[in-house]
Amino acid sequence: EAGVVQSPRYKIIEKKQPVAFWCNPISGHNTLYWYLQNLGQGPELLIRYENEEAVDDSQLPKDRFSAERLKGVDSTLKIQPAELGDSAVYLCASSLDRRHEAFFGQGTRLTVV
Amino acid sequence: DQQVKQNSPSLSVQEGRISILNCDYTNSMFDYFLWYKKYPAEGPTFLISISSIKDKNEDGRFTVFLNKSAKHLSLHIVPSQPGDSAVYFCAASPQGGSEKLVFGKGTKLTVNP
Repeated sequence: EAGVVQSPRYKIIEKKQPVAFWCNPISGHNTLYWYLQNLGQGPELLIRYENEEAVDDSQLPKDRFSAERLKGVDSTLKIQPAELGDSAVYLCASSLDRRHEAFFGQGTRLTVV
Repeated sequence: DQQVKQNSPSLSVQEGRISILNCDYTNSMFDYFLWYKKYPAEGPTFLISISSIKDKNEDGRFTVFLNKSAKHLSLHIVPSQPGDSAVYFCAASPQGGSEKLVFGKGTKLTVNP
């Protein structure tokens, strides 16, 4: 069974440019999460989807970050415009539902220069 | 303030010996705890979990102990193997699943041959 797939693995952009990350969760997993991981820190939740509905986006900086999960499967996380402080690893995870353990993708390492 | 604390940034043990990774939490509402393992350039991998109704959960070489009165949990790895060398994250949830996971900063385990 394929795991959570994320792309790209690495991205380098100049500040003020837009960037998008894509995630394909494990088949059959209804819950999808986007996490942010800064260097030396644990992952921090940005947004959680139950199917296509964003049920917890309280930690998402909505002035520059947006996300969508059309049709309740794949998801895209966008930053526009990117700032130097956005440099981090962006992790996507999925779980069967919110009561089960989450499985993570390999992450996208973003560098803003 | 950090709700989940892993006070040891690193731990080094000899192959074949026991590795003990510790985690403390402050939020008494947490009722589900997970351990994730992370290799460089990969996403976290789910390892083992424990519900607050239990004080021990075992899976092969891995055992998690929960002391609710002390708000403390630990992960024991016996015997330790070089392939166990990774960063281990403790995570906690107030609602019995992955819904609102709060992660610690991680402990880097090195198992020496």
